[in-house]
Amino acid sequence: DAEITQSPRHKITETGRQVTLACHQTWNHNNMFWYRQDLGHGLRLIHYSYGVQDTNKGEVSDGYSVSRSNTEDLPLTLESAASSQTSVYFCASSELASGGNTDTQYFGPGTRLTVL
Amino acid sequence: EDQVTQSPEALRLQEGESSSLNCSYTVSGLRGLFWYRQDPGKGPEFLFTLYSAGEEKEKERLKATLTKKESFLHITAPKPEDSATYLCASRVYGGTSYGKLTFGQGTILTVHP
Repeated sequence: DAEITQSPRHKITETGRQVTLACHQTWNHNNMFWYRQDLGHGLRLIHYSYGVQDTNKGEVSDGYSVSRSNTEDLPLTLESAASSQTSVYFCASSELASGGNTDTQYFGPGTRLTVL
Repeated sequence: EDQVTQSPEALRLQEGESSSLNCSYTVSGLRGLFWYRQDPGKGPEFLFTLYSAGEEKEKERLKATLTKKESFLHITAPKPEDSATYLCASRVYGGTSYGKLTFGQGTILTVHP
């Protein structure tokens, strides 16, 4: 079955280190998204991509970067991890439905990141 | 600014006690109102998409409805396994916002046996 996976599922790192979270989907979806989920803030969009070589900033993109070199993967990099980036990170993917209707985003299982 | 507000923040029900969750949205150019279910330690699981006022969709004990300003998730005769956080999200059309979802903060539903 097609799916979306994230790795690692749990990560502990230190302030200032570079961290990369992986997201892989086998649906061949063009659209991929990264969110963070925090108590009191819900899900907030970090970065998104509508296809290979396309990346866009979301509402909380500072300190994060993404690159899209193929359809299946959208890794999220924290250039210099900060304690404020301790959170649960979710990747999602979607494909534009026919008839111009909006697509549905399907989410991965999440990565819990702790920055000490 | 697009906003999505869910109420109540938490809801406790007895098994079999029907109720509704509310999702109010203030967006221009709505192109979909989404409902998701999220279990602890897991990613959101898609439930419904509603596109126009008056539309309704059902799945087992859940029914989602949409008006021009809000959506309701009705839960009929809930069971303990319906306990979860329910998220709603709006999606707008066009410009730089195309394809992005704006999420509410969720309603934590607990159903006691």
